Amino acid sequence: AQKVTQAQTEISVVEKEDVTLDCVYETRDTTYYLFWYKQPPSGELVFLIRRNSFDEQNEISGRYSWNFQKSTSSFNFTITASQVVDSAVYFCALSEVADSWGKLQFGAGTQVVVTP
Amino acid sequence: DTAVSQTPKYLVTQMGNDKSIKCEQNLGHDTMYWYKQDSKKFLKIMFSYNNKELIINETVPNRFSPKSPDKAHLNLHINSLELGDSAVYFCASSQEPGGPYEQYFGPGTRLTVT
Repeated sequence: AQKVTQAQTEISVVEKEDVTLDCVYETRDTTYYLFWYKQPPSGELVFLIRRNSFDEQNEISGRYSWNFQKSTSSFNFTITASQVVDSAVYFCALSEVADSWGKLQFGAGTQVVVTP
Repeated sequence: DTAVSQTPKYLVTQMGNDKSIKCEQNLGHDTMYWYKQDSKKFLKIMFSYNNKELIINETVPNRFSPKSPDKAHLNLHINSLELGDSAVYFCASSQEPGGPYEQYFGPGTRLTVT
């Protein structure tokens, strides 16, 4: 069963608009880690953030921000004032400590298209 | 000074052939992984090695065989290639197994089976 759900397949925005990517996860572990990766058109996977299950503080890094809510099992990602270079597929991933030896379980990804 | 490198970047071959993909990391990490990304961009773990020992072996056809000659290398050999094996294969490494450790990905190998 899919443990990470990214319900938005594709989001199209015009440059400078904000865009929020949803990520809902499912786990029985009390200790787990959540990640976001970016895959630009060139194909490589770029690490963006890691968050552990005990740290619910929101995080901001430049135009990127993340909202982690354990109550709703969500770890959403917002790009503020989007730019064309933000066009990519964004993956949310879960790593469960009890089970997985660190394997990343990815969501299906959300394609973000930013047009000028 | 590439952290995780894969060769080749592109691989086009015919059904039934045997091929290998090589991965090397120069980060001094203990753990390496193979992931497969299908045509719909879905990423799934295949294998993981920690200090040359297999620790993750997902449900993968036994035509796929990973080999780790040392901690810095993890190769993927595929026998009797099938059309459905066409995908992008990513190698990754992390300091140790487990969630606290970020995984660094290689550039991927696009395999096309005709």
